[in-house]
Amino acid sequence: QVQLVQSGAEMKRPGASVKVSCKASGYTFNDYYIHWVRQAPGHGLEWMGWINPDTGYTNVAVRFQDRVTVTRDTSSNTAYMEVSGLRYDDSAVYYCARGGEVWVAALDSWGQGTLVTVSS
Amino acid sequence: ERVMTQSPATLSLSPGERATLSCRASHSVSSNLAWYQQKPGQAPRLLIYGASTRATGIPARFSGSGSGTEFTLSISGLQSEDFAVYYCQQYDNWPLTFGGGTKVEIK
Repeated sequence: QVQLVQSGAEMKRPGASVKVSCKASGYTFNDYYIHWVRQAPGHGLEWMGWINPDTGYTNVAVRFQDRVTVTRDTSSNTAYMEVSGLRYDDSAVYYCARGGEVWVAALDSWGQGTLVTVSS
Repeated sequence: ERVMTQSPATLSLSPGERATLSCRASHSVSSNLAWYQQKPGQAPRLLIYGASTRATGIPARFSGSGSGTEFTLSISGLQSEDFAVYYCQQYDNWPLTFGGGTKVEIK
């Protein structure tokens, strides 16, 4: 079965960077987009960006383009999202999710989420 | 950017009742609309994609309808496990955007 397993919770200082991993199994990693979505405490879902694991091409929401980098390692079927210049309002649960074979698709499987806490 | 607006924010219903949730897009998203269910402490779960197609393993009491800018998620005969927050999401246009969510709570 499709499974996305994310790295563990992180606590970071303001201005630091955090890199979250998402290891995929149960399907051909290269064939499906991986998306990143975050959820601040008590708030809704916010889409951040996606990566095409086959080509490595990425698309990041404008508001995150200067701070967020999405990468992948096809040898380990793992996607990564790095957020730099962390601010207090970056504290959130970060999810990876599997999209479709094209980017125009719903997110059919989700990781368990990674809590990132930004605190001094 | 397509702005997705969900209503109502909260729906208070009793088990066995029918829930009707609405989602409106600021511009047409065709049928590229999904619904997700999220329970406390859990990741979202895909319920509906293509506006009306149930995802794998989703019970038939969940149904979606609509196209363009107006969409509806219906849950017939609410069961205890259905009390949760529901989000709509459009994937027709970049960036992908979610609605603010509707909480279905026990009356």
